[in-house]
Amino acid sequence: GEQVEQLPSILRVQEGSSASINCSYEDSASNYFPWYKQEPGENPKLIIDIRSNMERKQIQELIVLLDKKAKRFSLHITDTQPGDSAMYFCAASSNNRIFFGDGTQLVVKP
Amino acid sequence: GPKVLQIPSHQIIDMGQMVTLNCDPVSNHLYFYWYKQILGQQMEFLVNFYNGKVMEKSKLFKDQFSVERPDGSYFTLKIQPTALEDSAVYFCASSGQGGDTEVFFGKGTRLTVV
Repeated sequence: GEQVEQLPSILRVQEGSSASINCSYEDSASNYFPWYKQEPGENPKLIIDIRSNMERKQIQELIVLLDKKAKRFSLHITDTQPGDSAMYFCAASSNNRIFFGDGTQLVVKP
Repeated sequence: GPKVLQIPSHQIIDMGQMVTLNCDPVSNHLYFYWYKQILGQQMEFLVNFYNGKVMEKSKLFKDQFSVERPDGSYFTLKIQPTALEDSAVYFCASSGQGGDTEVFFGKGTRLTVV
């Protein structure tokens, strides 16, 4: 199946600064790239997604970028808050298959 | 919003016994998935299911695993027999149109094999 690489595995930032998570994929047929946030003991919840016909999407403080040529996509959280602390997963999807990266533990320090 | 319900939330079972994890997907969704997560780490794809059939399964989906959705009821994951390494949280998910639409996850079943 698809291989999705996600870095870093742990990210510590100061409150108010920005955080960036980077992912890459292998299958050029992948056409949908969701990002999930998972808090301890909870299920993953979709926070933002991007389709292959777009290069950039922003929802409030969340920005996702997609570089199809390089097969890379990234999540940027501007003005991080302690409530942003969680595990974040990127994913790539094609042909009804969704594969996740290994996750990034984001810690926002007050 | 749409909810995927998983029953039970926790299950403790003796090694070698059979266990069935139940999932009630979002109504009118057509695509169903099972993922395995250990210690809040990787979300590992097990299997996806559409139109009554397994479409794709990963290497983690051992011969002891099976899935079904009899008569459009619960989407189930059965493990028979269970092994210690099957201890994990199992997440069920569903989507309406397949891989390029939002996938909704249940809250997971924490399986402990002792």
